[in-house]
Amino acid sequence: SQTIHQWPATLVQPVGSPLSLECTVEGTSNPNLYWYRQAAGRGLQLLFYSIGIDQISSEVPQNLSASRPQDRQFILSSKKLLLSDSGFYLCACPDSSAEKLFFGSGTQLSVL
Amino acid sequence: GESVGLHLPTLSVQEGDNSIINCAYSNSASDYFIWYKQESGKGPQFIIDIRSNMDKRQGQRVTVLLNKTVKHLSLQIAATQPGDSAVYFCAENGHYNQGGKLIFGQGTELSVKP
Repeated sequence: SQTIHQWPATLVQPVGSPLSLECTVEGTSNPNLYWYRQAAGRGLQLLFYSIGIDQISSEVPQNLSASRPQDRQFILSSKKLLLSDSGFYLCACPDSSAEKLFFGSGTQLSVL
Repeated sequence: GESVGLHLPTLSVQEGDNSIINCAYSNSASDYFIWYKQESGKGPQFIIDIRSNMDKRQGQRVTVLLNKTVKHLSLQIAATQPGDSAVYFCAENGHYNQGGKLIFGQGTELSVKP
């Protein structure tokens, strides 16, 4: 079964600072990877998905970008964080059926 | 637009009672639905799923019901325990129909009273 590693678990950053969140996956045969964001008390919003190395699609316009330099590595970045970037960021990958998603443990980002 | 929403944001039940969490979806093209459980500070965990060619599916203490006529999905938890306290999300595959892209509802917070 797949394992999704996300770090750091929590992060406090000042407005205007850069961001880099990393996700690595193991044990999956499906190449798709996803970044979701969850605001406090809300559902999950899909930010980016990737079907392979250097193949990224953005679902919503925003201050963030994503990269996939290696097959099992998915990175979420920002050059200058905004207050509105605060939230719980989750990396996910599908199971072998390509339908249900498995999630990492998430990164709680607070932008102050 | 597409939306997956829950009727109630919070639900409080007594330990040992059955819980029913409801979800409405709007995309008639969705043919796959999932329920997730999310504990505080953790990622969502898969509970149970159902395809549109089914009306009911049972797991261990959980049952998912799908009513395609009214686009309604529900999660029933039997003999609710304190460990069931969490936020529950329904999700649908919308028109994506591939690759694991899901549309999530807002979530219902289940609180179990001892």
